[in-house]
Amino acid sequence: AQKVTQAQTEISVVEKEDVTLDCVYETRDTTYYLFWYKQPPSGELVFLIRRNSFDEQNEISGRYSWNFQKSTSSFNFTITASQVVDSAVYFCALFTGGGNKLTFGTGTQLKVEL
Amino acid sequence: NAGVTQTPKFQVLKTGQSMTLQCAQDMNHEYMSWYRQDPGMGLRLIHYSVGAGITDQGEVPNGYNVSRSTTEDFPLRLLSAAPSQTSVYFCASTKSRYTEAFFGQGTRLTVV
Repeated sequence: AQKVTQAQTEISVVEKEDVTLDCVYETRDTTYYLFWYKQPPSGELVFLIRRNSFDEQNEISGRYSWNFQKSTSSFNFTITASQVVDSAVYFCALFTGGGNKLTFGTGTQLKVEL
Repeated sequence: NAGVTQTPKFQVLKTGQSMTLQCAQDMNHEYMSWYRQDPGMGLRLIHYSVGAGITDQGEVPNGYNVSRSTTEDFPLRLLSAAPSQTSVYFCASTKSRYTEAFFGQGTRLTVV
């Protein structure tokens, strides 16, 4: 069985604050892929990043960074100097070959206020 | 580029009615899937297909049927709509099983 836990249901920050969204996953497969998606208020789902289980390098893309730690089964997402446009629901997801499906967490609603 | 196209965007059904949600992609992706999104529950997989003629059940398949006669199209059929099927439905396609999914705009379905 595979599972993704996003314990933070909602986070509110003031613009320019840094914020970290947590993602903890469970799987018995040794090969798997982790994803983050963004769902802005308009409702579409936007792909942000993919990471495979053999690549533990951290990733930075502009104000976004991701910290993958197999030892703690976590794939956390940090937004530096948050902006109002970052307000959205963020989903972490896990794909395993054994399960042959993409499993989503319940999402974290991020609200960035002025 | 159209990507993944879902129709309709909004739909209201009466209990017991049937309908088909359409999904089409123009990226020649083999892998397609349907999800439903409910408050506090994230996205849950309904059905998926790894290629034309091949479909399988996801996490919440009851009350839904799918078929995949072509690579491009993956319609989702509600056989007899129930209020519990009120949700937002997303269709997605991926180039391969391990690559990122491209999602349609979603269909907001209300069953009264």
